[in-house]
Amino acid sequence: EVQLLESGGGLVQPGGSLRLSCAASGFTFSNYAMTWVRQAPGKGLEWVSAITGSGASTFYADSVKGRFTISRDNSKNTLYVQMNSLRVEDTAVYYCAKDLAPCSSAYCYEKGHDYWGQGTLVTVSS
Amino acid sequence: DIQMTQSPSSLSASVGDRVTITCRASQSISSYLSWYQQKPGKAPKLLINAASSLQGGVPSRFSGSGSGTDFTLTISSLQPEDIATYYCQQTYSLPLAFGGGTRVEIK
Repeated sequence: EVQLLESGGGLVQPGGSLRLSCAASGFTFSNYAMTWVRQAPGKGLEWVSAITGSGASTFYADSVKGRFTISRDNSKNTLYVQMNSLRVEDTAVYYCAKDLAPCSSAYCYEKGHDYWGQGTLVTVSS
Repeated sequence: DIQMTQSPSSLSASVGDRVTITCRASQSISSYLSWYQQKPGKAPKLLINAASSLQGGVPSRFSGSGSGTDFTLTISSLQPEDIATYYCQQTYSLPLAFGGGTRVEIK
């Protein structure tokens, strides 16, 4: 059974940093690109960042580029996002999601995301 | 960047009704369109990808259609467990983008 479990959320002041983790199980982690999606309170979904299965390529939304860094440790089956220079508008539930199509060396996003974690809440406030 | 527009933003229908949600892309995305269902307090669930390909375990009352810029999600007979917000997502090019969502309620 595929499971994704996020952790690391919490309250942080504007300008602060936080690292989220997503522990994966039930599939060959390194064969799949992984994606972070966030949802501000009462709002819709926003694609944030993604990383190929090998970890060699990363992708970011303009809203987080230069502030967030996505990474993965395939030996630990864990996905990360390091969030720096946090802003009030980064307040959201952050979900990690597995991409449906196996594709270790590219970001094969065409078929969507078939498994999602339960989300972790990040609150940026003074 | 491709923008996705859903309509309506919310709807209220009776059990057994046919429900249709539309999604429009700001440019052609061929059939690179996914639909997700999100129940309150839960993570999104992939219902349909490639515009019309139903995912395993999803009830057959759900269907998707369209290509190019205009897409539709249809629930043929609304059930109480279908109460949720539905999102479309273009998977044609980066940055991937979601529609604003359609909240479905029971009348």
